[in-house]
Amino acid sequence: NAGVTQTPKFQVLKTGQSMTLQCAQDMNHNSMYWYRQDPGMGLRLIYYSASEGTTDKGEVPNGYNVSRLNKREFSLRLESAAPSQTSVYFCASSDAANQPQHFGDGTRLSIL
Amino acid sequence: QQQVKQSPQSLIVQKGGIPIINCAYENTAFDYFPWYQQFPGKGPALLIAIRPDVSEKKEGRFTISFNKSAKQFSLHIMDSQPGDSATYFCAASHSGTYKYIFGTGTRLKVLA
Repeated sequence: NAGVTQTPKFQVLKTGQSMTLQCAQDMNHNSMYWYRQDPGMGLRLIYYSASEGTTDKGEVPNGYNVSRLNKREFSLRLESAAPSQTSVYFCASSDAANQPQHFGDGTRLSIL
Repeated sequence: QQQVKQSPQSLIVQKGGIPIINCAYENTAFDYFPWYQQFPGKGPALLIAIRPDVSEKKEGRFTISFNKSAKQFSLHIMDSQPGDSATYFCAASHSGTYKYIFGTGTRLKVLA
């Protein structure tokens, strides 16, 4: 009964390196989301996937790409990491639009 | 119009007190208002949510009050406990959208 699982939990990168953050949910939800959380700014939506096979931009998509691998898994990729992308990244899932979203415990990413 | 303004930024109360956290919105299309609780190192967890067809909803010690005409909603925590010390986020969304708009968070500390 894991809910939403994110890997890794922590990561340190150098500027320019690439990385993929993984997310998997076991609640059979249709929709999945990637957020970033920065001090004093709440959570901001990066990308979301309404259903398997679709992805759409959120509020802050620049510098990121996503892949909805299957119904369970949704990955976030940083192609060329920048210090401004230092943040805590959360994955979430929901059954449908305008429904409760359930969050993982985050990936803490530092970019030097 | 897409903002959700949350106040206060931080709050300290004595055990047994009733902290109140407020959120205000502009977009009258919003029709789903969840509150999330987040402990350090963890992801946000859904606490309670309300839709605008009711003015109040209670779940245990947590109550949401909703004022549609003022476009405001509040979280009240009855008989607060040290274990309630966490960061609380309000959010809003509307039918047909996958996007939550989050407030910037309130850090609550309940003193023993």
